Amino acid sequence: DGGITQSPKYLFRKEGQNVTLSCEQNLNHDAMYWYRQDPGQGLRLIYYSQIVNDFQKGDIAEGYSVSREKKESFPLTVTSAQKNPTAFYLCASSLPGSPNTEAFFGQGTRLTVV
Amino acid sequence: GENVEQHPSTLSVQEGDSAVIKCTYSDSASNYFPWYKQELGKRPQLIIDIRSNVGEKKDQRIAVTLNKTAKHFSLHITETQPEDSAVYFCAASRSGAGKSTFGDGTTLTVKP
Repeated sequence: DGGITQSPKYLFRKEGQNVTLSCEQNLNHDAMYWYRQDPGQGLRLIYYSQIVNDFQKGDIAEGYSVSREKKESFPLTVTSAQKNPTAFYLCASSLPGSPNTEAFFGQGTRLTVV
Repeated sequence: GENVEQHPSTLSVQEGDSAVIKCTYSDSASNYFPWYKQELGKRPQLIIDIRSNVGEKKDQRIAVTLNKTAKHFSLHITETQPEDSAVYFCAASRSGAGKSTFGDGTTLTVKP
């Protein structure tokens, strides 16, 4: 289904718990991204990685952490420090470089804090 | 950093009419401008993109125009159909930036 897979599709978390969202791609893309989408709003960048073992903070990184140990995988951890984690999370990947190319998105994970 | 503004936030048209969505950007070094369509509950998917070395690009009923001087670009959908109903996002990025900045989205409703 498009080469980029997010799991789970729905995730429920109790307050104070950390949760990890999975993102795997088989497109051989170097660059991967995590976005947060709230109702009626656009996509806000949480973290991005242009190469294995390297990543940068996006616009709303506080309360989140990532790792990029493998090219295919870019998991996102939503920590208890994230004050309002309920949202739709989208992972994306792209070929890096000049000029930029389109981003391919996963199906998303809807996280709800209960 | 880059700032992208998108208007309108909602747009309702009659089937068969045209729809236009406009975006402005702030970083004059931006050189890649994609448009994504997101249907309800689904992932965003690229529908058309334009690079800064061209002023217009067309793909069947969809076209995008770019004005680098004014730093704005627009999506034009002609002969709209109910299946065009979705949220549309514009984005801007520049070489080496490693990331795109997205607009807030436009919810397009096409009434049969």
